[in-house]
Amino acid sequence: EVQLVQSGAELKKPGESLKISCKGSGYSFTNYWIGWVRQMPGKGLEWMGIIYPGDSDTRYIPSFQGQVTISADKSISTAYLQWTSLKASDTAMYYCARPYSSGYSGSYWYFDLWGRGTLVTVSS
Amino acid sequence: EIVLTQSPATLSLSPGERATLSCRASQSVSSFLAWYQQKPGQAPRLLIYDASNRATGIPARFSGSGSGTDFTLTISSLEPEDFAVYYCQQRSNLLTFGGGTKVEIK
Repeated sequence: EVQLVQSGAELKKPGESLKISCKGSGYSFTNYWIGWVRQMPGKGLEWMGIIYPGDSDTRYIPSFQGQVTISADKSISTAYLQWTSLKASDTAMYYCARPYSSGYSGSYWYFDLWGRGTLVTVSS
Repeated sequence: EIVLTQSPATLSLSPGERATLSCRASQSVSSFLAWYQQKPGQAPRLLIYDASNRATGIPARFSGSGSGTDFTLTISSLEPEDFAVYYCQQRSNLLTFGGGTKVEIK
């Protein structure tokens, strides 16, 4: 089965670090971009960035540049989203998503495969 | 950064009615626009890509149109399962979503 499996919910304190994961299975992980999307409670969807696991080419949305790190380990078909110092405002659901077609081109940046999301709660 | 503005914020309609949702871009995105549906507690679902192409398995009652800066998603006759939030997304310059339109039962 083609799927993206995300890591479980996290409860962290402000200032702590965190790395959440998204594991692809049933397809060639290295040949599809993986994007990360934030959804704050009761709010809309926001793109954070996107990575091509084949060569780790990473593009950040400007408002998230420097705030998070996106990475991938193609040997275990897993992408990551990482924070070094969490804030309460990082509380959100985080989704990973894969485009509908393989390839390096951004022509395929429409996303038809989604993980179920990882809920991150940051509270003292 | 390209900003996508969706209107209206909320659309109150009855099953069987026609829904027309709008997405306006701050600059031309050519036809590089998609529409997604999101229901509570679920991940988004791709409906339309490249402005007017239905994604795999999407019913024919969903259609998209437009190019440049103005786009429309039309649901020809609302089914009970269509009440949800709809987002547009551009890929012309990186990636952005619009703010969403909630289609609610009147």
